Amino acid sequence: DGGITQSPKYLFRKEGQNVTLSCEQNLNHDAMYWYRQDPGQGLRLIYYSQIVNDFQKGDIAEGYSVSREKKESFPLTVTSAQKNPTAFYLCASTRAVGGGLMSTDTQYFGPGTRLTVL
Amino acid sequence: AQSVAQPEDQVNVAEGNPLTVKCTYSVSGNPYLFWYVQYPNRGLQFLLKYITGDNLVKGSYGFEAEFNKSQTSFHLKKPSALVSDSALYFCAVRDITRGTGGFKTIFGAGTRLFVKA
Repeated sequence: DGGITQSPKYLFRKEGQNVTLSCEQNLNHDAMYWYRQDPGQGLRLIYYSQIVNDFQKGDIAEGYSVSREKKESFPLTVTSAQKNPTAFYLCASTRAVGGGLMSTDTQYFGPGTRLTVL
Repeated sequence: AQSVAQPEDQVNVAEGNPLTVKCTYSVSGNPYLFWYVQYPNRGLQFLLKYITGDNLVKGSYGFEAEFNKSQTSFHLKKPSALVSDSALYFCAVRDITRGTGGFKTIFGAGTRLFVKA
């Protein structure tokens, strides 16, 4: 089955710790995205990557870091600099890299990771 | 800047009745519009999208959406609601401005649909 997997499903972090959330896809998609979801705020874009070894900051990148060493993988690190990290984190991917109709591609989402700071 | 608004935090409907979840958008140029659904503690699932052509778009699970350019709206509809339709619904618009990082999708805040038996 093709799809996106995220792990772990639940994650607990102590104050001052860095934690890394995993996102893997076997859809052969070029573009990958990380979103943060808070109640009543919808989805906010943290980082996105259109191609291996390249990524861009989204709207709320402060306190987060990413890497894209492989096409299939786009891990997100929540650093101690993120002051309010408790949230539901969603990873997504799309096939498109180019313009025109390629930009109309649907996003495929993983099941999410719920991060709680203790 | 492109944006999307969902004016209702919550919609309540009785099972068997028609449902509408509202969405309005603001874009420069032709809009690429999407609807996604999210069940509790799950990722988002694609329902339908409008790119071009017929203003009435049909999607998964009996849902459809009507694109109205003059009203800049893309409301989600279903003729007969089911209890199992209860979920969080997101409208989204594709940002077609090509920056250094490519394309982004902008999501509305979501509308929670409750279908009562």
